[in-house]
Amino acid sequence: GQQVMQIPQYQHVQEGEDFTTYCNSSTTLSNIQWYKQRPGGHPVFLIQLVKSGEVKKQKRLTFQFGEAKKNSSLHITATQTTDVGTYFCAARSSGSARQLTFGSGTQLTVLP
Amino acid sequence: EAGVTQFPSHSVIEKGQTVTLRCDPISGHDNLYWYRRVMGKEIKFLLHFVKESKQDESGMPNNRFLAERTGGTYSTLKVQPAELEDSGVYFCASSHSGGGQPQHFGDGTRLSIL
Repeated sequence: GQQVMQIPQYQHVQEGEDFTTYCNSSTTLSNIQWYKQRPGGHPVFLIQLVKSGEVKKQKRLTFQFGEAKKNSSLHITATQTTDVGTYFCAARSSGSARQLTFGSGTQLTVLP
Repeated sequence: EAGVTQFPSHSVIEKGQTVTLRCDPISGHDNLYWYRRVMGKEIKFLLHFVKESKQDESGMPNNRFLAERTGGTYSTLKVQPAELEDSGVYFCASSHSGGGQPQHFGDGTRLSIL
């Protein structure tokens, strides 16, 4: 079945530093979604990328979809303590139904 | 709008017992999904309902797991008999019809098998 590799698994940064998490798939993706799960909470939808090479921004967050639609990244500029949580990518392969395959997540810790 | 609600929030049972998890999706969402996250690993897909029909149950681990969505509203996930490896957090999510719709997750049920 489809697999989505996400790295790193853990990331500790000082407040104000940047942070990036990466997702890679061996197959071409139809689209990719990003979710954030706060400690003790549930995944919350952040954004969806559909087009090859697409870049979307949400304040300090920048999301990219690779040209080949096989990889994606989430970059946070100048992290804040409110950014703490686990960030998941979730991919839907081309031609499949609505099943999402989640990456293993990157757990971000922001040190004040 | 009310979000996805799951019950119970936490369940502790002994190996061999039966547990039933419930999910109430957002009203009007035809799509309902069950996922499981074990020991901090990835969120794994279990199955997908469209209204009352099982669209995809390829992620169900074995026949000890039974999901239903009678009437296309709330859904239940029964584990019988429970085994140690079934421990984890079970998430339910729902979404509108249409490709690429965001999924709205419930808070999950933390299942602990002793």
